[in-house]
Amino acid sequence: GAVVSQHPSRVICKSGTSVKIECRSLDFQATTMFWYRQFPKKSLMLMATSNEGSKATYEQGVEKDKFLINHASLTLSTLTVTSAHPEDSSFYICSARDTGTGMAGELFFGEGSRLTVL
Amino acid sequence: EDQVTQSPEALRLQEGESSSLNCSYTVSGLRGLFWYRQDPGKGPEFLFTLYSAGEEKEKERLKATLTKKESFLHITAPKPEDSATYLCAVGGSNYKLTFGKGTLLTVNP
Repeated sequence: GAVVSQHPSRVICKSGTSVKIECRSLDFQATTMFWYRQFPKKSLMLMATSNEGSKATYEQGVEKDKFLINHASLTLSTLTVTSAHPEDSSFYICSARDTGTGMAGELFFGEGSRLTVL
Repeated sequence: EDQVTQSPEALRLQEGESSSLNCSYTVSGLRGLFWYRQDPGKGPEFLFTLYSAGEEKEKERLKATLTKKESFLHITAPKPEDSATYLCAVGGSNYKLTFGKGTLLTVNP
């Protein structure tokens, strides 16, 4: 099946620094990618929809200046957590839909990135 | 607002003991109901999509069914390797998915 690669899988940073997480679709093109955040024993929460060549669409309550999303190509979206604080520590997961197959809604997820802010 | 409730939160089975997981949902304009499997520390892995009431899909020991209000994931003769968290999600507009909290399945040998 389609593969979505996410990097890094784990990152530890100091409070106040910025962290970039990459999401790549390896064998298909994705005009739209999605960024989720997952807390332990909680649902995946959609943070934003990343659109290739245009601005991301953020969900209500998500600070767009804190979570910068860039979708520079059909196979790459990045999430930058700016001025990270301990409360930003979480599991961040990206997903993408294979535009070419037209399989509506069948998202492929990355392996996730565990962010720990000290 | 779309909502998804999964039950039970956790389920322990003996190897070979069949059971079902439930996913109740409310959504305006269902575009699809999705089941995913998630292993610890990993991203979700797609299992099934169901689009209309009455639809059923099978994959190995798993069978997903759908009604207008809920979906069931039936597990027949489970094996320890089926242990994982199973997530249910409903799709609305723009492929946005609303997820349930998942059911943690443990299958003991």
